[in-house]
Amino acid sequence: EDKVVQSPLSLVVHEGDTVTLNCSYEVTNFRSLLWYKQEKKAPTFLFMLTSSGIEKKSGRLSSILDKKELFSILNITATQTGDSAVYLCAVAQVFGNEKLTFGTGTRLTIIP
Amino acid sequence: GAGVSQSPSNKVTEKGKDVELRCDPISGHTALYWYRQSLGQGLEFLIYFQGNSAPDKSGLPSDRFSAERTGGSVSTLTIQRTQQEDSAVYLCASSLIDRGFSQPQHFGDGTRLSIL
Repeated sequence: EDKVVQSPLSLVVHEGDTVTLNCSYEVTNFRSLLWYKQEKKAPTFLFMLTSSGIEKKSGRLSSILDKKELFSILNITATQTGDSAVYLCAVAQVFGNEKLTFGTGTRLTIIP
Repeated sequence: GAGVSQSPSNKVTEKGKDVELRCDPISGHTALYWYRQSLGQGLEFLIYFQGNSAPDKSGLPSDRFSAERTGGSVSTLTIQRTQQEDSAVYLCASSLIDRGFSQPQHFGDGTRLSIL
């Protein structure tokens, strides 16, 4: 059975701290791994990773994929209260099976 | 439209009634997806459309659930004879297909369905 596991389930840090969120997966026919941020309603897209070892960066957020060890991390540096959200990791499988398999998410709370 | 639009945003209904949820994808997105998010759970895949056809219906939990898409655009998810366990947020997403591969999915705000 395809599986995506995120850790920790929740995390509370102070503003300015750096956090690392983890995502491991076991799926057949892996194609890409995606990170989303969910505040109140719609998950919003952050990154899509298809190749191992290539860091993707957007401002204070960055992510990298390890296809040998089957995991990804999402780093957030200099956290701000606006980073408080649930961060979702999802895995897409090869063309013909376009669904995303999601983990249950990491709830990140930033204390001012 | 600018983003994925879902309606209604909230729906409260009595057990046993039928409900219809609507999704209007981003203009030009040929792929459309339905997911369900129950309290404390991750998003659960329901069904995927490419154009008007549904190559993958594997996530529909029972034959009370059905979905259709017309004109390669708007989709409706129908739940017949609703049960309390159907209470959840139903999320729709759409994406482009580029050279045979799905680009990142973009989500609507969802419909929060509550069955009394």
